[in-house]
Amino acid sequence: AQSVTQLDSHVSVSEGTPVLLRCNYSSSYSPSLFWYVQHPNKGLQLLLKYTSAATLVKGINGFEAEFKKSETSFHLTKPSAHMSDAAEYFCVVRGPPTTSGTYKYIFGTGTRLKVLA
Amino acid sequence: DVKVTQSSRYLVKRTGEKVFLECVQDMDHENMFWYRQDPGLGLRLIYFSYDVKMKEKGDIPEGYSVSREKKERFSLILESASTNQTSMYLCASGSLNEQYFGPGTRLTVT
Repeated sequence: AQSVTQLDSHVSVSEGTPVLLRCNYSSSYSPSLFWYVQHPNKGLQLLLKYTSAATLVKGINGFEAEFKKSETSFHLTKPSAHMSDAAEYFCVVRGPPTTSGTYKYIFGTGTRLKVLA
Repeated sequence: DVKVTQSSRYLVKRTGEKVFLECVQDMDHENMFWYRQDPGLGLRLIYFSYDVKMKEKGDIPEGYSVSREKKERFSLILESASTNQTSMYLCASGSLNEQYFGPGTRLTVT
């Protein structure tokens, strides 16, 4: 079965320092993986996605993630944190097709990123 | 820009009331989803729909039902609201490998 584990529920970084949000996945076949961001009182927004093309995926706002099959990981990184990056981040894996041929998406429990001035 | 709108941002209802949450998308997507979001639990799928009048149960469908009479509209119904249904409810629409979310409805059941 597909699942994702976000290894940290809270991460604090100083402005201008690198960001690392960790995600491990479990999948019985080649997965499709996503990172979403949710700013306070806002809906979720897609940051980036991996769908079996290049293993290093670039997203919006300077974020990127690397798919590592050997480590079953899809960690999210950013070289330099900005105050506006403070938000909750969700790692997501696409599930297998359902009986209707639709796909469900399995969300991690989220990592809240705090950026210190 | 894809737009997913939800009928209310905040809602307060009493135990036992029937509650309707409405979601509308403007991108002609086949698939629409209802999730609830609780602290420390992430998003959990309640129901989804892959076509008009077609639906499938998600991971936590108990106590909920849905309706999709038109392609752009997907409604979540709490038949008899209970306090453990106090939560943030998020609607999404999308295609393969892409989901667009509404701003959410924070429901409080007292």
